[in-house]
Amino acid sequence: EPEVTQTPSHQVTQMGQEVILRCVPISNHLYFYWYRQILGQKVEFLVSFYNNEISEKSEIFDDQFSVERPDGSNFTLKIRSTKLEDSAMYFCASVRALAGELFFGEGSRLTVL
Amino acid sequence: QQQVKQSPQSLIVQKGGISIINCAYENTAFDYFPWYQQFPGKGPALLIAIRPDVSEKKEGRFTISFNKSAKQFSLHIMDSQPGDSATYFCAASDRGSTLGRLYFGRGTQLTVWP
Repeated sequence: EPEVTQTPSHQVTQMGQEVILRCVPISNHLYFYWYRQILGQKVEFLVSFYNNEISEKSEIFDDQFSVERPDGSNFTLKIRSTKLEDSAMYFCASVRALAGELFFGEGSRLTVL
Repeated sequence: QQQVKQSPQSLIVQKGGISIINCAYENTAFDYFPWYQQFPGKGPALLIAIRPDVSEKKEGRFTISFNKSAKQFSLHIMDSQPGDSATYFCAASDRGSTLGRLYFGRGTQLTVWP
């Protein structure tokens, strides 16, 4: 069964450091997303990406965040200068098209010290 | 601002019993309501979804009931099994599909005792 893969599974970083989370969406999918889940809380939308540009972003997705699809397969989330409150599980997701199922990866746990 | 309110926060059910999780929303523009199941260490996985043109949708032991006038929807798990023990999230979107951003509820941790 096709799956969304994410790396790293867990990253520990110091506050103020840059972090890049990587995702390989399902190969024929066209729409890509990042969500995050702070421990014990709900899943929150960060950003959606289609046709090599951001479709929508939430209020959480400020100037410290950026996304990129550098090579047609990887989809990355960069946090430029991490803060303690960025500690969360970050989920990448993808969907092929309208009415398709949204598939989530297993997540990348980010711990900011 | 909580777009989707989910209850209860946790639920313990005997094997074979019915698990019921409720969600309510305020935004009348929402037109797609999925439920996700999440096991520890895994990402959310789509369980079942409904659109507001129907009041009920059933897939196996899982049923969504939808009340448009009350702006509420619920998940019923019939004949609950220990393997159903997971966290369940309701969600909503205003794009009629998964293409738009999903607003998630806070989740319900279901434990099914054998």
